[in-house]
Amino acid sequence: DAGVTQSPTHLIKTRGQHVTLRCSPISGHKSVSWYQQVLGQGPQFIFQYYEKEERGRGNFPDRFSARQFPNYSSELNVNALLLGDSALYLCASSLAGDRGVKTQYFGPGTRLLVL
Amino acid sequence: ILNVEQSPQSLHVQEGDSTNFTCSFPSSNFYALHWYRWETAKSPEALFVMTLNGDEKKKGRISATLNTKEGYSYLYIKGSQPEDSATYLCAFTDSNYQLIWGAGTKLIIKP
Repeated sequence: DAGVTQSPTHLIKTRGQHVTLRCSPISGHKSVSWYQQVLGQGPQFIFQYYEKEERGRGNFPDRFSARQFPNYSSELNVNALLLGDSALYLCASSLAGDRGVKTQYFGPGTRLLVL
Repeated sequence: ILNVEQSPQSLHVQEGDSTNFTCSFPSSNFYALHWYRWETAKSPEALFVMTLNGDEKKKGRISATLNTKEGYSYLYIKGSQPEDSATYLCAFTDSNYQLIWGAGTKLIIKP
């Protein structure tokens, strides 16, 4: 079975541009979460979606948005990129609206560099 | 602001030795504590999810304990092997059911 997949794997953008990152969850998983990981720190929660609805949002500006599609795949959009948005963006899926007590399965991440 | 602290930040261990490290988290409004292993160039891999005070979980040579009253969890690795080299992350589920992550303990096994 395929695990969580993310695309692209790497991306270089310039300040002010926007970016769309994509994630496909494990088959049967209905919940997708997005995290930002900066070197030397743990992942920071950005969004969680379950059944196409936003279930939670972390402390990120409105430049960050996301959505989940009927097939449970998800997109993370970041507008007006800043240098500080350079990071590894991780997507994780889990079976249900797990309320944080179920295992999350992570994709390989998208490494974004903003110049 | 909820903080999850992991110590030490990094650890060098001789192959064959056993080791352990700590995750500290808020003891109020506890829901769950997660441990993950993250090898370089790979995805984070789930090790354990623990929800009850006193929980002990084991997976091969790796085990974990949980104390929710005092807000800490230990991860133990018995007889370290080179393939154990990775960053070990813990995450605490907060009252909004979101995961708050520590910065990790980087474990390096010396042959």
